[in-house]
Amino acid sequence: EPEVTQTPSHQVTQMGQEVILRCVPISNHLYFYWYRQILGQKVEFLVSFYNNEISEKSEIFDDQFSVERPDGSNFTLKIRSTKLEDSAMYFCASWGQSSSGNTIYFGEGSWLTVV
Amino acid sequence: GESVGLHLPTLSVQEGDNSIINCAYSNSASDYFIWYKQESGKGPQFIIDIRSNMDKRQGQRVTVLLNKTVKHLSLQIAATQPGDSAVYFCAENDGGSTLGRLYFGRGTQLTVWP
Repeated sequence: EPEVTQTPSHQVTQMGQEVILRCVPISNHLYFYWYRQILGQKVEFLVSFYNNEISEKSEIFDDQFSVERPDGSNFTLKIRSTKLEDSAMYFCASWGQSSSGNTIYFGEGSWLTVV
Repeated sequence: GESVGLHLPTLSVQEGDNSIINCAYSNSASDYFIWYKQESGKGPQFIIDIRSNMDKRQGQRVTVLLNKTVKHLSLQIAATQPGDSAVYFCAENDGGSTLGRLYFGRGTQLTVWP
């Protein structure tokens, strides 16, 4: 069954360091997303990406964040200078047709800890 | 903005019983709703979805009911099993947002006792 895959599963980084989280969306999906979930809180939308550009971003997605699709398969989220409050689980997602129909599918997440 | 909320933060049921998890939303423009299951340390797992032109949809052991009049969504799980123990989220997409921009509720922790 096709799935969204994310790496790393867990990363610990020092405050101020750059972090890149990687995702491989389900192949033939065209819409890609990043969401985050701070421990104990709800899942929050960060950004959506279509046709090689950002289609919508939330107020959380400030200048410290960027996304890129460097090749035909990977979709990355970069945090330029991490802050303590960036500690969260980051989920990549893609929209398209798969086993449960035409909807949005989430990866297992990358847990980021900023110390 | 965010409009999805949940009535109850926790629900405990005995194995074999039916579970009902509720969700309220406030945005009348919302036209697509999804229920997700999230196990500890994992990503949201799609359970079932429903569009605003329907009021009921059934899957395997699950049924979603949508009442647009009172802006209420529910997830019914039949014959609940220990493996159903997880946090359940409802999420919505309103017609004015980008496809796939979902607003999540805080979640209901379902615990199934043997």
